[in-house]
Amino acid sequence: AQSVTQPDIHITVSEGASLELRCNYSYGATPYLFWYVQSPGQGLQLLLKYFSGDTLVQGIKGFEAEFKRSQSSFNLRKPSVHWSDAAEYFCAVALYSSASKIIFGSGTRLSIRP
Amino acid sequence: SAVISQKPSRDICQRGTSLTIQCQVDSQVTMMFWYRQQPGQSLTLIATANQGSEATYESGFVIDKFPISRPNLTFSTLTVSNMSPEDSSIYLCSVDRTLASTDNEQFFGPGTRLTVL
Repeated sequence: AQSVTQPDIHITVSEGASLELRCNYSYGATPYLFWYVQSPGQGLQLLLKYFSGDTLVQGIKGFEAEFKRSQSSFNLRKPSVHWSDAAEYFCAVALYSSASKIIFGSGTRLSIRP
Repeated sequence: SAVISQKPSRDICQRGTSLTIQCQVDSQVTMMFWYRQQPGQSLTLIATANQGSEATYESGFVIDKFPISRPNLTFSTLTVSNMSPEDSSIYLCSVDRTLASTDNEQFFGPGTRLTVL
């Protein structure tokens, strides 16, 4: 069965430090991969997505993610975090076959240390 | 892109009652989905709302508890029936592939925050 694993429940980094959020997926074919962010009391916003092509994907707010097929990973990175980046981050995989639907990881809560 | 609205944005309900949540999209879309996000948890897909036919439910979700309608390509409803406190969650509508687009992306509504007493 398809699944998405985010091994880190909660991460705290200092403002200005670099960030990497881990994501591993299990899927037989090449998946469609996403990172979403959910700020407190806010809706879900798409940061970036990967369908095919260049394995390094640029997103909004200075985020990027790299698809590594050999490791079944799609880690999210940002070179320098801002206090406003504190939020819940969800990795997700979409199954575009007969009915597209998204499977979400459990999420990683990011806290920023001043 | 697609702009999605949900009504109500939040509600507090009594045990044993039912609540119908509406999802309206500003353009015609092929796929509509309903998700549940329990407190402190991730999103779980409830069902795919199919236009003109019965919804397709995920494991653990049944039509009697979560009846869904989708009368056209821009509107869907989710009813949470015979509610219990365990149904307290955020319910999100999402859509995929506006008919005018070939891009593969899902857009999410703002969610409906439900509290059951």
